[in-house]
Amino acid sequence: AQSVAQPEDQVNVAEGNPLTVKCTYSVSGNPYLFWYVQYPNRGLQFLLKYITGDNLVKGSYGFEAEFNKSQTSFHLKKPSALVSDSALYFCAVRANSGYSTLTFGKGTMLLVSP
Amino acid sequence: KAGVTQTPRYLIKTRGQQVTLSCSPISGHRSVSWYQQTPGQGLQFLFEYFSETQRNKGNFPGRFSGRQFSNSRSEMNVSTLELGDSALYLCASSSHLAGGPYNEQFFGPGTRLTVL
Repeated sequence: AQSVAQPEDQVNVAEGNPLTVKCTYSVSGNPYLFWYVQYPNRGLQFLLKYITGDNLVKGSYGFEAEFNKSQTSFHLKKPSALVSDSALYFCAVRANSGYSTLTFGKGTMLLVSP
Repeated sequence: KAGVTQTPRYLIKTRGQQVTLSCSPISGHRSVSWYQQTPGQGLQFLFEYFSETQRNKGNFPGRFSGRQFSNSRSEMNVSTLELGDSALYLCASSSHLAGGPYNEQFFGPGTRLTVL
């Protein structure tokens, strides 16, 4: 069975500082990896995905993520955090074979202080 | 393009009742997935439909059911509601079968179900 772990329930960072939201995964075969963000009372919004190729993936709003196959990780990063980045972030994985489903982590709340 | 729409946005029911939630995917999208979101369990996969066929089902009791129509709109039904069914129910669509290629899913705003 595939799974995603987001080890931090909450990440606190000051505006202007770099941020990292951690994600590790377990899946049979090669993964498709995704990051989504959820603002209060809203659905999830897609940020970026890793399919294959370059391990550094760039996405929306200045976010990027680095795929590390040996560590089975896909950490979300941003060089300079904004207060408006405060939200709930979800990492998700899907196996790249068959009719696999999208499995989400439990989410990490990012709080950016002014 | 209009996004994924879900109706109703908020719903209050009592134990034992049943409820039907509706989802209209992005135009042209044929795959619809449903998720249950709760503070304790996070996002749990319910089911996935593609061209009116259920392709995948999550680990939920038979009280949870769904269907997809020929226009790709989808409904999910929960019968004999329990207090633990209180959650945000999210619908997502994608242009291909979600278990196939690597297309991201687009989520609706959700239906907030409260069971009293």
